[in-house]
Amino acid sequence: SQELEQSPQSLIVQEGKNLTINCTSSKTLYGLYWYKQKYGEGLIFLMMLQKGGEEKSHEKITAKLDEKKQQSSLHITASQPSHAGIYLCGAGTNFGNEKLTFGTGTRLTIIP
Amino acid sequence: DAGITQSPRHKVTETGTPVTLRCHQTENHRYMYWYRQDPGHGLRLIHYSYGVKDTDKGEVSDGYSVSRSKTEDFLLTLESATSSQTSVYFCAISAGTYEQYFGPGTRLTVT
Repeated sequence: SQELEQSPQSLIVQEGKNLTINCTSSKTLYGLYWYKQKYGEGLIFLMMLQKGGEEKSHEKITAKLDEKKQQSSLHITASQPSHAGIYLCGAGTNFGNEKLTFGTGTRLTIIP
Repeated sequence: DAGITQSPRHKVTETGTPVTLRCHQTENHRYMYWYRQDPGHGLRLIHYSYGVKDTDKGEVSDGYSVSRSKTEDFLLTLESATSSQTSVYFCAISAGTYEQYFGPGTRLTVT
C-alpha cells in the first residue's frame, strides 16, 4: 500500500516569512491533493496536481509535483495568520483517484 | 461550500452500545467516504460507496459497517462501540476522479 510522509510534522514561522511543506510518496504519484484543516473543522480542498512538473498557485500558496522524486511541495509566500492550520496531502493510485491515501499532516503555526 | 452535513456533531457513548453516524449530501455525487482521524495516523479510510447499495472496505474497516440506500445518505454504524473507536469521523463526497469534499466531522467518545 502507498504511504505518504509529510515533513516537517510541525512548523512555527514568523508572520511574513516564506515556508515549504513536503509530501513524499512510497510509490509513484498519479494524483496529488493538498488540503488545509483548521482545528476542530473539516478539510478544505486547496489544489490538485496530476502531471509531473505541474505547478499550481492560489493566492500565496504554490504547489508543485515532482514525479521522479515521488514528491510534492507546498510553498507559502509571505505567511499570514490565516495560513495557520494543518496541511495534509492525499494521493490517488494508478487505478484512479476515487480512493485517496493521506499523509499524517503538517501543523503550521504563525507567530506575529 | 459543498453541501455535506454530518450528524451528530458530537457524541459520547458507552462501550458495547451501537452507534450510527449519518452523512447527508445535496450535491448528488456518486462517491461517498467515511474516514477517521487520529493523532499520529492522519486520515484513514474506513468504508466508501460508489453508488446506492454499492460499498467497499477501506484500510480500517473492522468493527464498522455502512449502508447507502439513497444517493444522498451514507450511514456508518459501530455495532458495538469500543474505546479504540474514539475518534473524529469525517464524511467526504466526490464526483469520481476529482477532489473530495469533506464534512465538518463528528467527534465520538466511547467511555
